Amino acid sequence: AAGVIQSPRHLIKEKRETATLKCYPIPRHDTVYWYQQGPGQDPQFLISFYEKMQSDKGSIPDRFSAQQFSDYHSELNMSSLELGDSALYFCASSPRGSGELFFGEGSRLTVL
Amino acid sequence: LAKTTQPISMDSYEGQEVNITCSHNNIATNDYITWYQQFPSQGPRFIIQGYKTKVTNEVASLFIPADRKSSTLSLPRVSLSDTAVYYCLVGDKQRNNAGNMLTFGGGTRLMVKP
Repeated sequence: AAGVIQSPRHLIKEKRETATLKCYPIPRHDTVYWYQQGPGQDPQFLISFYEKMQSDKGSIPDRFSAQQFSDYHSELNMSSLELGDSALYFCASSPRGSGELFFGEGSRLTVL
Repeated sequence: LAKTTQPISMDSYEGQEVNITCSHNNIATNDYITWYQQFPSQGPRFIIQGYKTKVTNEVASLFIPADRKSSTLSLPRVSLSDTAVYYCLVGDKQRNNAGNMLTFGGGTRLMVKP
C-alpha cells in the first residue's frame, strides 16, 4: 500500500540558511500535517492543510511557512535556520474526519 | 480541550499482557480516543481508536468506561518489538482541529524485557 513519502530523508544546513522539505500524501488523503520532533521530545504539531487551504496552526515559528499544492503534495519552508531547528520533521496525511494520521518516515534536519 | 495524562514509563516482560491507562477527565461529547505507537526515529503509527465501550483489532484492545474519563490500551502477549512510546490523543475527529486530536504529549515509554 502507498505510504506518505517525504524528501529529503536527511538534510544538513548551516545557520541562517534555508531548507525546504517535501511531503507526498497517500492518494485520496485530503489533509496534510507537519510535525517537528526534537531529540527526546514528543512530536509537536506545526501546521495542517485541508484541500490546499491552511486548516490549523500549531507551534510553527514565523520563520517557517508551508503550503499544499494542487496535486496535494505539501512543502515546509524554513528560513534563517537556527541550531534549535535540528529535528525530525514528520509529515502525515489522513482522510478528513477519520482522526487517523498516517505518518511518513520523516526528514532529519541538522543545522550546523 | 481534553488534557490527557499517562504514566511516564512502564516495564513488562515478553508474553505478558500490558495495560496502559490514559486519563482524560474533561473529554467532550464529540471526542474520540486514539492511540499511537512510536519507535525511535520513526513516525507515530496508529494503533486503535474508539468512542465508548470496547474496541478490538488485530494488535490491541481499547477499553473505555461509561463515563469516558479514562481509557485503557491493552496489548496482549507483548514481545520485545513492542518496546516503544505509546501516545493517547483525545479530540473531535470530525473537526480534526489543532486540539488534542493532533497533540502528542506525555506518552508512555514501554520497555519489554526478555
